[in-house]
Amino acid sequence: DTGVSQDPRHKITKRGQNVTFRCDPISEHNRLYWYRQTLGQGPEFLTYFQNEAQLEKSRLLSDRFSAERPKGSFSTLEIQRTEQGDSAMYLCASSVLAEHSGANVLTFGAGSRLTVL
Amino acid sequence: DQQVKQNSPSLSVQEGRISILNCDYTNSMFDYFLWYKKYPAEGPTFLISISSIKDKNEDGRFTVFLNKSAKHLSLHIVPSQPGDSAVYFCAASRQNSGGSNYKLTFGKGTLLTVNP
Repeated sequence: DTGVSQDPRHKITKRGQNVTFRCDPISEHNRLYWYRQTLGQGPEFLTYFQNEAQLEKSRLLSDRFSAERPKGSFSTLEIQRTEQGDSAMYLCASSVLAEHSGANVLTFGAGSRLTVL
Repeated sequence: DQQVKQNSPSLSVQEGRISILNCDYTNSMFDYFLWYKKYPAEGPTFLISISSIKDKNEDGRFTVFLNKSAKHLSLHIVPSQPGDSAVYFCAASRQNSGGSNYKLTFGKGTLLTVNP
C-alpha cells in the first residue's frame, strides 16, 4: 500500500477561481478526514467521512467549501470562489475503525498546498 | 478556544541528550493523546499514543508521560538524534456519542532541533 495520496501537491490560483483537491486513502480505511494547516498552526479539523457518509463538518468549512466521498473510496474537497485567506496546506487523513476501543491513529497524506493570489 | 496547547514554539538540544516536549490540555473529556512528527513537505506521521487511564507509555527512544490531574503530557526522546529534528504535534481525542474516537484536536506544534 502506498499510503494516503493527495493531488495536486501544490496549486496556485487567482482569487475567485474554483479549486478541487483529491485524496486517495489507504484502501482498507473506512474513515477519511480533511484538515487545514496554516503557518505556525497545527492541523485544524474540517470534515470527516465514515464510508461515504459525511458525519461532521467544522464551522471552519464555509458554504464555499464542499467535500464528497462517492462510493466510500477517494474524496474530493472543492473550494469555490477562492479568497486569499484560503491559502493553506490541505491535509487528508484516513483511519480504520478499530474493533476494540483504542487510539484513533490517523495516517496523513503529504498535503495539497493552496496559494491564492 | 485552544483546547490543546504547546507553549514552546521551539526547542534546541544536543545530540545524545534528552528532548522533552510539553503539552497542556483543557478538555477533561479527552481520553486519548497522540504525538505526531512532521518533516517539511510531508504530512504528520504518528509517533506514540497514550490512553487517559495510563500515566506512561514507552516505545523505543520515545516515552510519553501523562499527568491527568495537571492536564499535562510530555514526550521524552532519549537519546536525541539529528534525524529527530522536526515539528512535533500533540493531539487529543474523545469519544463521541456513539462511543468511538474519531476527530483529533492538535496543538500548534514545537519545532525540535537536535544539533550534532
